[in-house]
Amino acid sequence: DGGITQSPKYLFRKEGQNVTLSCEQNLNHDAMYWYRQDPGQGLRLIYYSQIVNDFQKGDIAEGYSVSREKKESFPLTVTSAQKNPTAFYLCATSPPGRGSEKLFFGSGTQLSVL
Amino acid sequence: AQSVTQLGSHVSVSEGALVLLRCNYSSSVPPYLFWYVQYPNQGLQLLLKYTSAATLVKGINGFEAEFKKSETSFHLTKPSAHMSDAAEYFCAVSPNSGGYQKVTFGTGTKLQVIP
Repeated sequence: DGGITQSPKYLFRKEGQNVTLSCEQNLNHDAMYWYRQDPGQGLRLIYYSQIVNDFQKGDIAEGYSVSREKKESFPLTVTSAQKNPTAFYLCATSPPGRGSEKLFFGSGTQLSVL
Repeated sequence: AQSVTQLGSHVSVSEGALVLLRCNYSSSVPPYLFWYVQYPNQGLQLLLKYTSAATLVKGINGFEAEFKKSETSFHLTKPSAHMSDAAEYFCAVSPNSGGYQKVTFGTGTKLQVIP
């Protein structure tokens, strides 16, 4: 069954702690993205990756880090430097070539601060 | 530079009534335009997209949108609202320039359907 799997669905972070959100896809898409969603603010791009071992900062990368060691995986780490991490995080992919403008989304991870 | 403005963060309609969600865009190049829908605690799903072909675009679940260049608008409509249409809707724009597509999203409109 093809798709994008985000885990966990809910995550709690303690003060000063780093946490990692998982995103795995079996759609064979080259590009992967992380978005942050806050109520009333829409979606904001954190990081994106077009190919393995390469990624670029989006609009709000401060306090976050990513890696892209495999085509299927694009984990996001929320570091202790991110002072307001509570949000809904969405992973997305897009196919190569024609149709690359369309985004496919996972079901999201809700991160909260304890 | 590109941006999207969605007029109205909340819209309420009666079941069976017309749904109209407004979106205006700004783009320095010919744009691709999208409407996505999000159900509670879920990811976004593409409803429809405009990619410089027909200006009236039909999507899933009976939704359609019309690209009006002169008005820089891409409003979403559905003739008759169903209870299942209650969700949050996002308009989005990306440059029609090939390669990596950086998508800019609007702030969303929550649609409430009243029985």
